Amino acid sequence: NAGVTQTPKFQVLKTGQSMTLQCAQDMNHNSMYWYRQDPGMGLRLIYYSASEGTTDKGEVPNGYNVSRLNKREFSLRLESAAPSQTSVYFCASSRRTIPLEQYFGPGTRLTVT
Amino acid sequence: DQQVKQNSPSLSVQEGRISILNCDYTNSMFDYFLWYKKYPAEGPTFLISISSIKDKNEDGRFTVFLNKSAKHLSLHIVPSQPGDSAVYFCAARGNNAGNMLTFGGGTRLMVKP
Repeated sequence: NAGVTQTPKFQVLKTGQSMTLQCAQDMNHNSMYWYRQDPGMGLRLIYYSASEGTTDKGEVPNGYNVSRLNKREFSLRLESAAPSQTSVYFCASSRRTIPLEQYFGPGTRLTVT
Repeated sequence: DQQVKQNSPSLSVQEGRISILNCDYTNSMFDYFLWYKKYPAEGPTFLISISSIKDKNEDGRFTVFLNKSAKHLSLHIVPSQPGDSAVYFCAARGNNAGNMLTFGGGTRLMVKP
């Protein structure tokens, strides 16, 4: 039981390049989330998927797209990376009923130069 | 407009003493509150939660208090241990179908031996 896994762990991109961050969970959770963490700003929600087949914008969606591939997998795509997207990205998953806590992956540290 | 605020970026406590981490929120629609702990280079891990219908929840050395009239919650750790040194995030859930959480900016706790 691996919980939430993310790939890659580290990535350096040049401005304008694209990439996809992968996330998978094996807890049979319905809901999945993508956050970014910047110093002093906590975690901010980028996109979420309440259930398979649905996705919705969070607090900071600009510059990102997501795909809920199936119940297990939720990917985040940067089409044209910008230095402002330098951050640590976390994927999380949760049930839709109590207990409501979200379980997080180990994160992807992304640097855009 | 930060709906969840942790006004102390850092806190230093002696081993064996009590650690008190504070969190304020502005949205009266929040119905569930959580605390997460984060070590460097790892994802946040769930610590303890409280529903808005309660004012206290205890789990071992960790107790969360909720004061709805003041829109304030706190996490008490007694006794504090060096392994508790980490960044602590409070989070709040709005009454939404996606189980979205809003996070505070975090407080770095340092427990000195």
